[in-house]
Amino acid sequence: DADVTQTPRNRITKTGKRIMLECSQTKGHDRMYWYRQDPGLGLRLIYYSFDVKDINKGEISDGYSVSRQAQAKFSLSLESAIPNQTALYFCATSGTVWTGDQETQYFGPGTRLLVL
Amino acid sequence: QKEVEQNSGPLSVPEGAIASLNCTYSDRVSQSFFWYRQYSGKSPELIMSIYSNGDKEDGRFTAQLNKASQYVSLLIRDSQPSDSATYLCAVVGSQGNLIFGKGTKLSVKP
Repeated sequence: DADVTQTPRNRITKTGKRIMLECSQTKGHDRMYWYRQDPGLGLRLIYYSFDVKDINKGEISDGYSVSRQAQAKFSLSLESAIPNQTALYFCATSGTVWTGDQETQYFGPGTRLLVL
Repeated sequence: QKEVEQNSGPLSVPEGAIASLNCTYSDRVSQSFFWYRQYSGKSPELIMSIYSNGDKEDGRFTAQLNKASQYVSLLIRDSQPSDSATYLCAVVGSQGNLIFGKGTKLSVKP
């Protein structure tokens, strides 16, 4: 089984709808991240969480919110989806300072989102 | 805003040749550097990390770091068509996150 999973893998929605993308991991990592990827723009950080009680905005957090339900789960919500949020979304995880692997990130398979 | 710059390519090399991918970064205090490979429509996968000046080799891959010049590179020896992908350079920023370059697309021609 994959260490980092994302659901759904593909999603089509309409403008104004609220949707949630989910990420789960079995790596035992404390740190989790949400990115979006657009052609020509690379990977951009939306939100990140270094532990269950720590949530931080990334480069492009407007229009998004997150919830860290447990160490293993980190969800991304689009409160009112708009077409320019059409993108490929990735969740990633990394370890802790105590294990020395806090910087190496491992990515989930991605969610392809289309907002009509 | 800290930046990581890569030539977008595409970089085209013949099979068996050495592919050289380059990356520069703006934050002089950065200490940790990563190379990821991403096939079209797939997620990035870690190839190598490098933390000290000099070269680090892993199989056909060699990462090179020059902190004085704020430059990190990836060499792929004996390039294979299966190496055709986009290569992402990433640098750890001041908040402990990775800052990614936009990637260089590599095409290895049989």
